Amino acid sequence: GIQVEQSPPDLILQEGANSTLRCNFSDSVNNLQWFHQNPWGQLINLFYIPSGTKQNGRLSATTVATERYSLLYISSSQTTDSGVYFCAVEHSGNNDMRFGAGTRLTVKP
Amino acid sequence: GAVVSQHPSWVICKSGTSVKIECRSLDFQATTMFWYRQFPKQSLMLMATSNEGSKATYEQGVEKDKFLINHASLTLSTLTVTSAHPEDSSFYICSAPPDRGDEQYFGPGTRLTVT
Repeated sequence: GIQVEQSPPDLILQEGANSTLRCNFSDSVNNLQWFHQNPWGQLINLFYIPSGTKQNGRLSATTVATERYSLLYISSSQTTDSGVYFCAVEHSGNNDMRFGAGTRLTVKP
Repeated sequence: GAVVSQHPSWVICKSGTSVKIECRSLDFQATTMFWYRQFPKQSLMLMATSNEGSKATYEQGVEKDKFLINHASLTLSTLTVTSAHPEDSSFYICSAPPDRGDEQYFGPGTRLTVT
């Protein structure tokens, strides 16, 4: 099956810093999404981005499908950005999403 | 965005009993829904695909007789954990795509604790 690797596994930032999270995948994908899992476990949809670049406030994402990676940028980080960020891809054509291991972000005040 | 709900949010049951978890798409129809399991500090692992009008398909290593899935309607899928044991304690999350190949939305999850 498709492999999804996220880096770094853990990231500690000072409030106000910028960061880049990476997601590598081993095969072509039909769908790629970035999620933020809040402390209660809810997955918050950040981006639906099988290709191209999108921006939403302080967050932006870029997927280069031909090179099989996606990047999530967080600018001017805030303590509320803390949590786990997941990249998930769909490869099979059956809509089943496969998740990376996640990046645990801690933003300190 | 689309809304997916789960019920209950959390449940505690005794070892050997069965527990049913519901997943509903509130504002769209879903012919397919997905069930995931997440252990503490780990990622989400796909357990099975719930198909309206046909049998569920299970990932390798997931016991179909233990995790019964029923796609009762175009807006409801249920996961029943039968004869639950402490090792089944986990966070169970469902998802559904409003349309094939579309962005997926996830339910808030159900935290199961088996004592």
